[in-house]
This record gives sequence, structure tokens and C-alpha cells, in this order.
Amino acid sequence: RKEVEQDPGPFNVPEGATVAFNCTYSNSASQSFFWYRQDCRKEPKLLMSVYSSGNEDGRFTAQLNRASQYISLLIRDSKLSDSATYLCVVNRYDMRFGAGTRLTVKP
Amino acid sequence: DAGVIQSPRHEVTEMGQEVTLRCKPISGHDYLFWYRQTMMRGLELLIYFNNNVPIDDSGMPEDRFSAKMPNASFSTLKIQPSEPRDSAVYFCASSPPYQGESTDTQYFGPGTRLTVL
Repeated sequence: RKEVEQDPGPFNVPEGATVAFNCTYSNSASQSFFWYRQDCRKEPKLLMSVYSSGNEDGRFTAQLNRASQYISLLIRDSKLSDSATYLCVVNRYDMRFGAGTRLTVKP
Repeated sequence: DAGVIQSPRHEVTEMGQEVTLRCKPISGHDYLFWYRQTMMRGLELLIYFNNNVPIDDSGMPEDRFSAKMPNASFSTLKIQPSEPRDSAVYFCASSPPYQGESTDTQYFGPGTRLTVL
């Protein structure tokens, strides 16, 4: 079993749609959680950290459920520019990445 | 501000050759990470350093791979001898000393795309 598993995707949604990604992790001792975004042939960039209480940044909302060991990312009112691969990441230093979920937002 | 700098950006070499990838972290960052990304295996952590000291190299695939960090502003990842299965994008990343959630991130370089023929 992989340490971090994500929705396989791809997700193809129209502009303005709401889309949600889930990610599960296997190590119950994990303390830090993140969502990174990676554009095609570019480096990953931090989208947002995921805090225990959940957090929101504009159209993006991240949630953590420690009991079920999953994190989620919700994107509201999706834009064309949101098209990218979204990587679920666990741990601060010895980071474990999910395989990524590809999102394509279409006009 | 200059971000993480990697060189070369592209490298094409023949099987058996030595390959050296270079990284300059962001000034003031005390953690440095080397990753490898392939379609099959995704993004994998190879090794990371703290204050120039290797902390965890459990992700280094085999003895053909070695990494060094002689000072705070430079690191190398060497593959000797290289094999076609080493073809991948190699990312270097750095992060600042942890001082709370606002510093809790890694900054990735643009990567080196390695092709071993």
C-alpha cells in the first residue's frame, strides 16, 4: 500500500464548477499535510498547508480528518488557470507525495 | 529574489557516463532536498540535508547515486555509472528554518531533465 494515495483523476470540469480531491495517508503519526500544485513540465509549488481545523484561501478549502487519515481539497468557481496536477503531500521534511490528480478546467 | 537554481536544465548522456547535477538553495535556507520524478513512480524523495549534513538518504536508489553538500550554498547529485532507467526529472528544493506555519514549505528549483540513452 502506498503511503499517500490520491483520487486517480483526471478531472475534467467546466469553468465555474466545484471540484473536490481526496487523499489518504497510511502513517497515523504524520503531523504535516500540504497540497502542492504542479503545472505541466514545471516544478511543484505550495498551494496551501492543511491545518487540523481546516483552512480556506479564497476559492480553495483544505480539510484534514485525522481519524480517517485523509485530507481533502475543494476548489470552488474553478477557473481555466486552475488546470494543473494537484499533489497531496504528507510530512514536513521527509515528504511523501501522492501520485497527483490532474485537473482540466474547460471553457 | 533568486529562487532555487539548478543546472544543467537538460542533460542527455549515454549509458555508463557519469552525471552531475547541481543545486544552489535559497540563501538562508537550512534544509535541502533532492527529488526524482517519473511518470511511473511520481515524485520521490531521494535525500535531504540539514545544515549541510545528510539526514535521510533512504530514498537513494542504489550505490550509483551519491549526494554531497560541501557548503550552505551548493549541493550535487551524482550518478555513476548512469543507466537508461535513471532518466527522469530531478528536482532540488530548499526550505527555511522552521519558525511556524508561515515557513512550513519547500521551494523547488526548475528541475534537471535527464535522459540517459
